[in-house]
Amino acid sequence: ETGVTQTPRHLVMGMTNKKSLKCEQHLGHNAMYWYKQSAKKPLELMFVYNFKEQTENNSVPSRFSPECPNSSHLFLHLHTLQPEDSALYLCASSQDPGGEQYFGPGTRLTVT
Amino acid sequence: GESVGLHLPTLSVQEGDNSIINCAYSNSASDYFIWYKQESGKGPQFIIDIRSNMDKRQGQRVTVLLNKTVKHLSLQIAATQPGDSAVYFCAERGSGAQKLVFGQGTRLTINP
Repeated sequence: ETGVTQTPRHLVMGMTNKKSLKCEQHLGHNAMYWYKQSAKKPLELMFVYNFKEQTENNSVPSRFSPECPNSSHLFLHLHTLQPEDSALYLCASSQDPGGEQYFGPGTRLTVT
Repeated sequence: GESVGLHLPTLSVQEGDNSIINCAYSNSASDYFIWYKQESGKGPQFIIDIRSNMDKRQGQRVTVLLNKTVKHLSLQIAATQPGDSAVYFCAERGSGAQKLVFGQGTRLTINP
């Protein structure tokens, strides 16, 4: 195990639903990340947090809303998603931004 | 802009042979590179890293080579085993940057 956990592992939601993804890291890291991984595409960085402060929003639509209450927890709130948002959402953490990142197992999201 | 890419999307090797996975990058200012392995149903897992002041680094059964002249990175896996089957990603960080840029990934399959 990498020390980064994500829940749920699988999620199916309708376009009108509201759901949240949770990430927790047990490594004492200061930076946390959300990535989207779609088939045949490189990992897409969505958000970066450093010491609970958002330092990067990679032009992510507002239907994705991150929350970082402390350095160990990161959430991704989802509402009114589109079918093309179906993907594997990966959380990662690193000691400092730009350093070696440790990934969680991901949440497989399907939007129907 | 920055881009990291892989020469081949798939690679098949015989069990016991050596594998070489390649990666090209375009940012000559990149100073840190990582190889990740992603098995089915899991998040990417750190394999080995190298800084730009080095041209070779060895781990257990893996070697990373960095050629800054042609902006090329490679991962060599010795005596490939069935457990090496996965998608391999390279990632690079620009000097002073606070994020990693990931390549598309190469799927390595092992033939018995």
